[in-house]
Amino acid sequence: DTGVSQDPRHKITKRGQNVTFRCDPISEHNRLYWYRQTLGQGPEFLTYFQNEAQLEKSRLLSDRFSAERPKGSFSTLEIQRTEQGDSAMYLCASSLGQEGNTIYFGEGSWLTVV
Amino acid sequence: KNEVEQSPQNLTAQEGEFITINCSYSVGISALHWLQQHPGGGIVSLFMLSSGKKKHGRLIATINIQEKHSSLHITASHPRDSAVYICAVRAYNTDKLIFGTGTRLQVFP
Repeated sequence: DTGVSQDPRHKITKRGQNVTFRCDPISEHNRLYWYRQTLGQGPEFLTYFQNEAQLEKSRLLSDRFSAERPKGSFSTLEIQRTEQGDSAMYLCASSLGQEGNTIYFGEGSWLTVV
Repeated sequence: KNEVEQSPQNLTAQEGEFITINCSYSVGISALHWLQQHPGGGIVSLFMLSSGKKKHGRLIATINIQEKHSSLHITASHPRDSAVYICAVRAYNTDKLIFGTGTRLQVFP
């Protein structure tokens, strides 16, 4: 078990380009979460999945953001027409089912929009 | 006002000192997490609490549900404890975590 892995770890993109991040959770974990963290702040919730179903989505997630978890395993987070305000670290986390279980975080994907 | 507030925001200590970081929250919760984040981003879960007290090595976490307050204590602090410590709560009827802004701890030899 290699933990939660995220790819790429760093991405620099020009404003207006699309970017996609991938998260591979711990293999038996059915819950997967995306958070965003800007410098000096705590992470903010974006969305989460139970298996392939997207159960909750933050109002922070504009129409330019979309997340999928097609087979209930890995997930992708796509940002279309990036803006400088999208520059942040995008964190993925996973846990096993129920309330009370430990949540495991990936190392994060840093996005810089220039 | 944030739903999860931490204090202090920054903390420096000499090696060996006893450290306390506080977390107050304003929502009803089913669990509270203490997390550690090192430079570069990785977050590690230290504790998950719904009542009482937990201890792991030199770390102790307590929670008072009535007062909506939790503390993280580090005994005999060491430079390797230098990191950002984040409090996060799971509110009732949701599976998402609400995070505090973190406490940056630096322990000097």
